[in-house]
Amino acid sequence: GQQVMQIPQYQHVQEGEDFTTYCNSSTTLSNIQWYKQRPGGHPVFLIQLVKSGEVKKQKRLTFQFGEAKKNSSLHITATQTTDVGTYFCAGRGNAGNMLTFGGGTRLMVKP
Amino acid sequence: GAVVSQHPSRVICKSGTSVKIECRSLDFQATTMFWYRQFPKQSLMLMATSNEGSKATYEQGVEKDKFLINHASLTLSTLTVTSAHPEDSSFYICSATSVLNQPQHFGDGTRLSIL
Repeated sequence: GQQVMQIPQYQHVQEGEDFTTYCNSSTTLSNIQWYKQRPGGHPVFLIQLVKSGEVKKQKRLTFQFGEAKKNSSLHITATQTTDVGTYFCAGRGNAGNMLTFGGGTRLMVKP
Repeated sequence: GAVVSQHPSRVICKSGTSVKIECRSLDFQATTMFWYRQFPKQSLMLMATSNEGSKATYEQGVEKDKFLINHASLTLSTLTVTSAHPEDSSFYICSATSVLNQPQHFGDGTRLSIL
């Protein structure tokens, strides 16, 4: 079945440093979504990427969808303590409608 | 934005008890609702997908007789953990969407602790 892998599992950064999490799917995706889950909270939708090679920005967050639509990345510029949380990618395959979540990357930011 | 309410937020009960968790979409019609289970510091594991008025589709390895799902209306889905045991203790979280392939809106989750 479809597998979505995410690295790294954990990342400690100093406030102001950049951060990137990578997502790789075992199969080609029709789209990929990114969610953020704060400690003790529920996942909150951030963005959806659909097109091959697509790049979208939300303030300090930059999302990319690979040309082959099998990988994606989320880059945060100049992290802040409010960026703390776990970032999940979730990919939807071409064959079905199920969303498969990656393992998540837990970001910790030292002030 | 779209709001999904999940209730209760926390349950502590004895082994053998059945527990019902409700998931409501407050400001949109949820044609599809999803139930996930999340272990501490781990990812979301999809348990089942439910569509209004039809039987839920369970993921492999999820016992349908153990985890009963009812999606009786476009705004309500329930998950009942029947005869819960300590190994069923977990964080259960629902999500809803009005259109498949669109973003899912998550409830706040239910932390279930079985003694």
